[in-house]
Formats: sequence, structure tokens, C-alpha cells
Amino acid sequence: EDQVTQSPEALRLQEGESSSLNCSYTVSGLRGLFWYRQDPGKGPEFLFTLYSAGEEKEKERLKATLTKKESFLHITAPKPEDSATYLCAVQAGRRSSNTGKLIFGQGTTLQVKP
Amino acid sequence: GAGVSQSPRYKVAKRGQDVALRCDPISGHVSLFWYQQALGQGPEFLTYFQNEAQLDKSGLPSDRFFAERPEGSVSTLKIQRTQQEDSAVYLCASSSAAGNYNEQFFGPGTRLTVL
Repeated sequence: EDQVTQSPEALRLQEGESSSLNCSYTVSGLRGLFWYRQDPGKGPEFLFTLYSAGEEKEKERLKATLTKKESFLHITAPKPEDSATYLCAVQAGRRSSNTGKLIFGQGTTLQVKP
Repeated sequence: GAGVSQSPRYKVAKRGQDVALRCDPISGHVSLFWYQQALGQGPEFLTYFQNEAQLDKSGLPSDRFFAERPEGSVSTLKIQRTQQEDSAVYLCASSSAAGNYNEQFFGPGTRLTVL
């Protein structure tokens, strides 16, 4: 069964204290790994898509990396406005079963204190 | 606005009532998804439309849940005879193309509370 696990469940950082969030996955045929940010009371906001092991993408203070078993979201010198829940999701399966549905992890809730 | 919109934003229903949740995807988007998000959890897939065709409904938890997208744009998720376990946020997402590899853009969700 396809599965996505995120750790830690919650993370508290001081402003400027860099850290990483982990997303481990077990899927049959990875098609894409997605990172989203979700603020309270809002829908998930797209951040990155990674397609193959070794790929990296950056956006401001965020950098996402991918291996064959896991993805990391690195946060460099975070600010209070980076506080949110970060969700990892995968698309998987044979090309013939091509619906594109996302399988999500449970999320990591990040709090950055000034 | 150019984003995905959902209505109502909040819905309170008495157990046993029927509810209908609406999703307006981004104009021109081929793919439309419904997800259910319980408190403190990640979203879980319910169903997928490519234009007006419902190609995957494997995530619908029971036959009380029904979704439609008759003209390939607006979609409605209907829940009949609501139960307390149906309380959750229902998220709609759309994507510009069919299948894998394409990012999905989410609406703000409808928070359903069943009393």
C-alpha cells in the first residue's frame, strides 16, 4: 500500500534557526512528489514538485530535495511568517492508471518564534 | 478571482440531513479533485473528474457520498444522511491537464460540522 510519513509532527524554531522537515514514502512507481504549505483555515498552497532522485528546487528560504526513499524540505534562516503546516504528497502508479490523485502525509506544523 | 472557490465556507448540519458542497475550479482546468481533511491530518482523496467524466471514485467512503461535474466545470459533492464522522474540511482542487505530473491548486475548503 502506498504510504507517506512526515516527521516531526511539530517543530518549534527560533527566528534564524535553520532546520529540515522529512517526508518518507513507500509507493509503487513514483510519478511526482509535491510540497504544499497550509495556513490555518485555508487550502494547501503549492510550493514544489520533484520528479526524480537527486532533483532539488529552491524558493526564497525553502529548498526541497528528493532521494529514492524520502524528501527533505530545508528551511534556512526562517522568519515568523514561515509558520504553517507543511504537507508532502506523492503521485504514484502505472502510467495506465493516470488519475493524478495525491497521497498526503499528515503534515509538519512549524512555528517560528521571533 | 483566478483561484479555486468553494461554497459554502462553513456548513452545520443535523445528523441525517443532506448537504451539497460546491466547487468552482480555475477556468479551463481539465482535472478536478475532491479531498477530505480531518482535523490535524493530511487531505485524503475522494474522487477525480477529467472534464465531465468521473474517472476515479475509489476514495468515496460510502454510497452516501456522490459527486458530479455535469458540464465539465463546476462540481458538486453531495452527502446524504450525514453522520458525525462526516465532519471534516472538504477541499476541492483543479489542475490544468489530465493525469500525473501536474500541480493541483486548492480552494479554501468547506468546513462541515455534523451535530
